[in-house]
Amino acid sequence: DADVTQTPRNRITKTGKRIMLECSQTKGHDRMYWYRQDPGLGLRLIYYSFDVKDINKGEISDGYSVSRQAQAKFSLSLESAIPNQTALYFCATSEIGQALRQEQFFGPGTRLTVL
Amino acid sequence: AQSVTQPDIHITVSEGASLELRCNYSYGATPYLFWYVQSPGQGLQLLLKYFSGDTLVQGIKGFEAEFKRSQSSFNLRKPSVHWSDAAEYFCAVVPYGQNFVFGPGTRLSVLP
Repeated sequence: DADVTQTPRNRITKTGKRIMLECSQTKGHDRMYWYRQDPGLGLRLIYYSFDVKDINKGEISDGYSVSRQAQAKFSLSLESAIPNQTALYFCATSEIGQALRQEQFFGPGTRLTVL
Repeated sequence: AQSVTQPDIHITVSEGASLELRCNYSYGATPYLFWYVQSPGQGLQLLLKYFSGDTLVQGIKGFEAEFKRSQSSFNLRKPSVHWSDAAEYFCAVVPYGQNFVFGPGTRLSVLP
């Protein structure tokens, strides 16, 4: 079974719609992250959470919001989707303690298309 | 500006040939350094990482990387490429006290 799962894996939606992407992990990690991947730009950090009560904006948080429902669950929402939010979205986790040195473990990604 | 660069967007090599993927960073102090691979339809998998010590790092799948402080580089190498190595490769750095910063990626194609 995958340690980091993302649902849905693919989603096509229309401009203006609200979308939620979900991430669950069984690794027992405290730290969770949301990235988007665009061709030629690599991965860019949207939001991250170091524990259930801690939420932080990343490099490109505008137009996104997150919710950390539990240690194992971290959701990303697009309140009103726009076409330039079409991208591949990844969830990742890492351990606490010297966390910035730690490996990040990635989910399989969600491909989102906004028409 | 602080950044991570991977000069090669796309590289094509023949199966059995050697491979070198380049990564350069521009940060004042040596950051922590990583290489990840993304196979089609999958998430990123860690190949190797460097924190300190020996500048030649061994990773999984026969990959290695060499840290060169004077060149601010962390190039990934493999002596003999297999068709299953076709994927996208990302260099990532963690500057002190900051989050991961990923390079733009290099797509590797392998010819039979």
